[in-house]
Amino acid sequence: QSVLTQPPSVSAAPGQTVTISCSGSSPNIGDNYVSWYQQVPGTAPKLLIFENYKRPSGIPDRFSGSKSGTSATLGITGLQTGDEADYYCGTWDNSLSADVFGVGTQLTVL
Amino acid sequence: QLQLHESGPGLVKPSETLSLTCSVSGGSISSSVYYWDWIRQPPGKGLEWIGKISYSGNTYYNPSLKSRLTISVDTSKNQLSLKIMSVTVADTAVYYCASGFSTSLGNYWGQGTLVIVSS
Repeated sequence: QSVLTQPPSVSAAPGQTVTISCSGSSPNIGDNYVSWYQQVPGTAPKLLIFENYKRPSGIPDRFSGSKSGTSATLGITGLQTGDEADYYCGTWDNSLSADVFGVGTQLTVL
Repeated sequence: QLQLHESGPGLVKPSETLSLTCSVSGGSISSSVYYWDWIRQPPGKGLEWIGKISYSGNTYYNPSLKSRLTISVDTSKNQLSLKIMSVTVADTAVYYCASGFSTSLGNYWGQGTLVIVSS
């Protein structure tokens, strides 16, 4: 059981917008930066968002991140079939002195 | 651009020690910029952070694995290593090495290596 809560699945049609939430608490999201990862089944995770909202080079601006209090959100606009993947949030937890991941959210593009 | 590559036995017997190596290219493992992580993913399940080592040699371990875990670097070989003692079937997973910075984990990832614990 993770200290970060994510919905198990979300779905939307191509071209639409979807958001994925990540809920934590003060020792983790409340006090630290949040990152987001995309994992296509059978491949390694890829960093999509770091420091709450920043995108690494090469990540399209269809992907966005935000944080408010003890929750964070990943937004994806203009959905494409290639966006079908599992998405994980991650952050440091001051109480555990450990990095933690959310349980993951499976995105289906209908 | 950093490139990471995990290697090690794909099959380990219960109660033995799992040992993996991550070879780093495109940058120095002793750089004062990077943190080096191990993450694993049991079949069909989510990501689990195992631990990390900083450029200064400080280690941080998942509390649930800490008593069995050693993460170290070999600067002469530009490699990161992972040892988990007394493994059980619950340690069966794809193991990833990753590199990031103080404020972000996993800017760079290896392709992962599957380790099965079985007699």
